[in-house]
Amino acid sequence: AQKVTQAQTEISVVEKEDVTLDCVYETRDTTYYLFWYKQPPSGELVFLIRRNSFDEQNEISGRYSWNFQKSTSSFNFTITASQVVDSAVYFCALSGANTGNQFYFGTGTSLTVIP
Amino acid sequence: KAGVTQTPRYLIKTRGQQVTLSCSPISGHRSVSWYQQTPGQGLQFLFEYFSETQRNKGNFPGRFSGRQFSNSRSEMNVSTLELGDSALYLCASSLGGRGNEQFFGPGTRLTVL
Repeated sequence: AQKVTQAQTEISVVEKEDVTLDCVYETRDTTYYLFWYKQPPSGELVFLIRRNSFDEQNEISGRYSWNFQKSTSSFNFTITASQVVDSAVYFCALSGANTGNQFYFGTGTSLTVIP
Repeated sequence: KAGVTQTPRYLIKTRGQQVTLSCSPISGHRSVSWYQQTPGQGLQFLFEYFSETQRNKGNFPGRFSGRQFSNSRSEMNVSTLELGDSALYLCASSLGGRGNEQFFGPGTRLTVL
């Protein structure tokens, strides 16, 4: 079975603070793919990053960084020097090699950045 | 390159009616997936179409159906609407390979009265 857990339901930070969004996944597949999406108030899910299970290298993209650790089945997302425009709901998702293109989403973390 | 488009953006229906939602994927994408998003259940996978064939199906009743046309555009149909079908319906397109990222449309907000 595939499962994604985002234990943080809501987070509030003050602008310029760093914030980490947690994502823990469960899968029996040896090959799988992990994703992060951002859903602003407009409702459209915006793709942020994709990682496959064989690539544990961390990634940095501007103020965003991702830490993938297979040993703890986690794929955490850090925003450095947060901005008001980062306020959104963030979803972590999992796709297994044996489940087609079905994405299993976590319940999302609502991030509010206070100016 | 144009993104994923969905029509209509908003719909209001009454119980028992049926509804058809439309999705146009990104040019060149052959896979279209549909998801239902509700506050209580979150994002749930409905089905995926690839080259006009349903390739994968989630755990939804048969009232939910879909199809894909030769130009990769997809439609989703819900018959005999129930109050619980009120949700944001999101369409996503991808190239169709395993693990490809999916790009989402703005969604159709369906309200069932």
